[in-house]
Amino acid sequence: SAVISQKPSRDICQRGTSLTIQCQVDSQVTMMFWYRQQPGQSLTLIATANQGSEATYESGFVIDKFPISRPNLTFSTLTVSNMSPEDSSIYLCSAGTSVETQYFGPGTRLLVL
Amino acid sequence: AQRVTQPEKLLSVFKGAPVELKCNYSYSGSPELFWYVQYSRQRLQLLLRHISRESIKGFTADLNKGETSFHLKKPFAQEEDSAMYYCALLTGGGNKLTFGTGTQLKVEL
Repeated sequence: SAVISQKPSRDICQRGTSLTIQCQVDSQVTMMFWYRQQPGQSLTLIATANQGSEATYESGFVIDKFPISRPNLTFSTLTVSNMSPEDSSIYLCSAGTSVETQYFGPGTRLLVL
Repeated sequence: AQRVTQPEKLLSVFKGAPVELKCNYSYSGSPELFWYVQYSRQRLQLLLRHISRESIKGFTADLNKGETSFHLKKPFAQEEDSAMYYCALLTGGGNKLTFGTGTQLKVEL
């Protein structure tokens, strides 16, 4: 198994600003993912964070809005850029040795005013 | 299109009653399905996967390809089963999980 931690756990931000969320895994993992969970909705995959290369983004998500870094096998960041109230959501990091065995972080609750 | 449908947002049952959380999927290939659970104030975690054909915490789920369903069942609900349950499908050529919208299970005394 893997233990995932995220920072910050929550934040309130002003529109137009950016927030970087950190995800730390307690062991080396192959796969790391970033999800968004909007109020009353399901988890939506934003991107797969690839170690040492550009992330793989899902339809509807772009690098300019959600830049992702993954410098090594245990750490990744997601930045929410130029935020608007529509970006208010829970952002989840997950990681694991395969897509089928993902362990989830506690989430970052973001409110944009 | 690859899609997971959980028709019930909320399911309320009495303790000791049977539970069935519905999940239907749309997928052109050979499906791999999962159930995830999130208890109050805890993180999302894997409950079971269909290829394991196992029972976890008394829950079972059978893949029915004819009905494209993967319903989660438990014969006797317990209070500690109250949680949010998500059905998920392995998609994108096996590169990602697609989640349903979730069902909140409430077990009443």
